[in-house]
Amino acid sequence: EDKVVQSPLSLVVHEGDTVTLNCSYEVTNFRSLLWYKQEKKAPTFLFMLTSSGIEKKSGRLSSILDKKELFSILNITATQTGDSAVYLCAVFKGAQKLVFGQGTRLTINP
Amino acid sequence: DTAVSQTPKYLVTQMGNDKSIKCEQNLGHDTMYWYKQDSKKFLKIMFSYNNKELIINETVPNRFSPKSPDKAHLNLHINSLELGDSAVYFCASSQDLRTRGDFYNEQFFGPGTRLTVL
Repeated sequence: EDKVVQSPLSLVVHEGDTVTLNCSYEVTNFRSLLWYKQEKKAPTFLFMLTSSGIEKKSGRLSSILDKKELFSILNITATQTGDSAVYLCAVFKGAQKLVFGQGTRLTINP
Repeated sequence: DTAVSQTPKYLVTQMGNDKSIKCEQNLGHDTMYWYKQDSKKFLKIMFSYNNKELIINETVPNRFSPKSPDKAHLNLHINSLELGDSAVYFCASSQDLRTRGDFYNEQFFGPGTRLTVL
């Protein structure tokens, strides 16, 4: 059965800290891995990773994929209160099927 | 300008009732989806339609029936509601995958409908 596991499930840090969120997967027909940010409502797309070892970066957020070890990490540097959200990892299996992890709830305290 | 909209945002109902959730997208996408997010925050695909044709149908009780009157709308009808149906239901849409090969086309999610069955 396809599995996407995120850790930690919950994380509380202070503003300015750097955080690393983890995502491991066991999925048949892997095509790519995606990260989403979910605040109060709809998940919004952050990154798509298809190749191992190539870092994707957007401002203070960056992510990398290891297809040999079947995991990805999402780093957020110099965190801000606006980064507080649930971060979802998902694997795209082709034919538009996404398998999601359970998310990491990140709380940034001022 | 709301890209993917859902109504209602909140739905509270009794067990055994029948209810519908509506979804509309104005992005010109050909593919629409329904996801269920349970209390543990897992988002799971339920259905996917492409140009009004069902293309993904996960293991979902047949009390759930999607209906796509046109490619901009995908409604979800649920019969004989049960306590375990309580969840947040998200609609999403994307471009037609098949015109671009087997690559991920970004899915845009609606705001969700929180269904509570009492």
